[in-house]
Amino acid sequence: SQQGEEDPQALSIQEGENATMNCSYKTSINNLQWYRQNSGRGLVHLILIRSNEREKHSGRLRVTLDTSKKSSSLLITASRAADTASYFCATDARGGSEKLVFGKGTKLTVNP
Amino acid sequence: NAGVTQTPKFQVLKTGQSMTLQCAQDMNHEYMSWYRQDPGMGLRLIHYSVGAGITDQGEVPNGYNVSRSTTEDFPLRLLSAAPSQTSVYFCASSYATADTQYFGPGTRLTVL
Repeated sequence: SQQGEEDPQALSIQEGENATMNCSYKTSINNLQWYRQNSGRGLVHLILIRSNEREKHSGRLRVTLDTSKKSSSLLITASRAADTASYFCATDARGGSEKLVFGKGTKLTVNP
Repeated sequence: NAGVTQTPKFQVLKTGQSMTLQCAQDMNHEYMSWYRQDPGMGLRLIHYSVGAGITDQGEVPNGYNVSRSTTEDFPLRLLSAAPSQTSVYFCASSYATADTQYFGPGTRLTVL
């Protein structure tokens, strides 16, 4: 079964707006990662946040992690049409086999 | 560096046919894995390898075989293709099991 579940399943915004996607997971983790997938392409790693970190930034991306709520959020600020893609979170369960388990993704559409 | 390469990009098979999906990486990564991606299902782990000579099953291994004779290559074999194996297949590699994953461009497989 999927460890991480993204919410919402789909999100449509205008260029310049911020986009927020959430990921919830079930068991304690070592780290959580976010990936982007453009249509018809492979996944590209965006950011990794460890279980002892609460927030991480990379350019226009901001990721937060709340281990007490078993949830993470990905914020894309000042979105652009080129941000249109699907976004996936991936987690590895602490004490498990440490395999990465991906969620089903959030499909983001940024309208020009 | 070419990164992770996959061949072929597209393939159409008839039920019962066999084929091998090729995956190679030139980053000297120990960990390699195969995922399938179906609409609304996210990515599901088929098989993975933590190093040459070592493979293990993921979430959906039935109908697929793998081997890892070298660090660079991790082929996925379909012994007798079934329509349920119609999917997009991604190969990924990383330095460690739950580290940042580098994905190939994918193979789109249709089984008639």
